[in-house]
Amino acid sequence: DAMVIQNPRYQVTQFGKPVTLSCSQTLNHNVMYWYQQKSSQAPKLLFHYYDKDFNNEADTPDNFQSRRPNTSFCFLDIRSPGLGDAAMYLCATSRGSGSGANVLTFGAGSRLTVL
Amino acid sequence: AQKVTQAQTEISVVEKEDVTLDCVYETRDTTYYLFWYKQPPSGELVFLIRRNSFDEQNEISGRYSWNFQKSTSSFNFTITASQVVDSAVYFCALVNRLAFGKGNQVVVIP
Repeated sequence: DAMVIQNPRYQVTQFGKPVTLSCSQTLNHNVMYWYQQKSSQAPKLLFHYYDKDFNNEADTPDNFQSRRPNTSFCFLDIRSPGLGDAAMYLCATSRGSGSGANVLTFGAGSRLTVL
Repeated sequence: AQKVTQAQTEISVVEKEDVTLDCVYETRDTTYYLFWYKQPPSGELVFLIRRNSFDEQNEISGRYSWNFQKSTSSFNFTITASQVVDSAVYFCALVNRLAFGKGNQVVVIP
């Protein structure tokens, strides 16, 4: 089945130790998103790629970076994780038309724990 | 500003009861889309329904129905005859600006 796959599902890191989360998709969607979801909160958009164009949300900390080497893959890099970065990170994809009508398909998430 | 408000945080119902989730939104866009997503304990958000701002027709799809009222900026969602598998967090989203509400935790008690 076509899907969005996130790895790893669970990641434990130490304070300040860089971590990379990956997302791959077989849907051939041109838009990929990264959301941060803390416990009992709504998903918060960090950034998204529209094709190769990177769109950063204004309040996304510089500590968070992203790479999209090709249509299928997207990575979230957290350069120096702090305790406040412990969260579920959700990757989503959609067909981008700019109309806002697009259904987002989500991966199962990567849960990050920072010690 | 884009904002979605889901006032109820946790709702508990006994199996087979109906449950209605309220969603109120704010937007200055004249064209926008509203969605409901379900997030079961496994974590993956699952798309449920979508409605655009020009279509206020209310529909029923299986046990799901929704009531979109542009005049009151509300997009409420109802699960009829709830089942234990409906236990999840439900998010209302205004997707033009990718704004999610805080979610409603629904607990269906057998």
